[in-house]
Amino acid sequence: SQQGEEDPQALSIQEGENATMNCSYKTSINNLQWYRQNSGRGLVHLILIRSNEREKHSGRLRVTLDTSKKSSSLLITASRAADTASYFCATKNYGQNFVFGPGTRLSVLP
Amino acid sequence: DAGITQSPRHKVTETGTPVTLRCHQTENHRYMYWYRQDPGHGLRLIHYSYGVKDTDKGEVSDGYSVSRSKTEDFLLTLESATSSQTSVYFCAISGDFQETQYFGPGTRLLVL
Repeated sequence: SQQGEEDPQALSIQEGENATMNCSYKTSINNLQWYRQNSGRGLVHLILIRSNEREKHSGRLRVTLDTSKKSSSLLITASRAADTASYFCATKNYGQNFVFGPGTRLSVLP
Repeated sequence: DAGITQSPRHKVTETGTPVTLRCHQTENHRYMYWYRQDPGHGLRLIHYSYGVKDTDKGEVSDGYSVSRSKTEDFLLTLESATSSQTSVYFCAISGDFQETQYFGPGTRLLVL
């Protein structure tokens, strides 16, 4: 069964707007990661947040983690058409493998 | 992209035929993984390897086998392909601490 579940499944916004995607998971984790997948390509690692961290930034990306609610959010600020992609969260716990959610499809309209 | 290649990139085969997909890395990473990606399911782990000749099953391993005779190569074999194995297959690698995965470009497999 899947650990992570992204919400929403699809999101459509205008260029310049912010995009927020959420991920919920079910069990304890060591870290949570977000990946981007452009159409027809492999996944690309965006950012990792550890279980003892609450917020992390990387460029236009902001990730938060709430372990009490077992949830994370990915915020992309000032989105661009090039941000159009699918975004996946993946959870990792010690001695276990990565578990991916089904992803959020983001469309950024020019 | 990290130094990961997959071959072939596209394959069409018939039900009942054997198929082998190859993943090759130049990063000398310890861990290698095979995933399949299907609509609505995200990525599901098929098999993984934690070293040469050391492999283990993932979530959806039935009908698949793997081998790793060298650090750089991880082979996925469908002994007798079925239409339910039509999918996009991704190889991934990660280092000793398994903190980040790097993905290959994928192989699109169609089983008729």
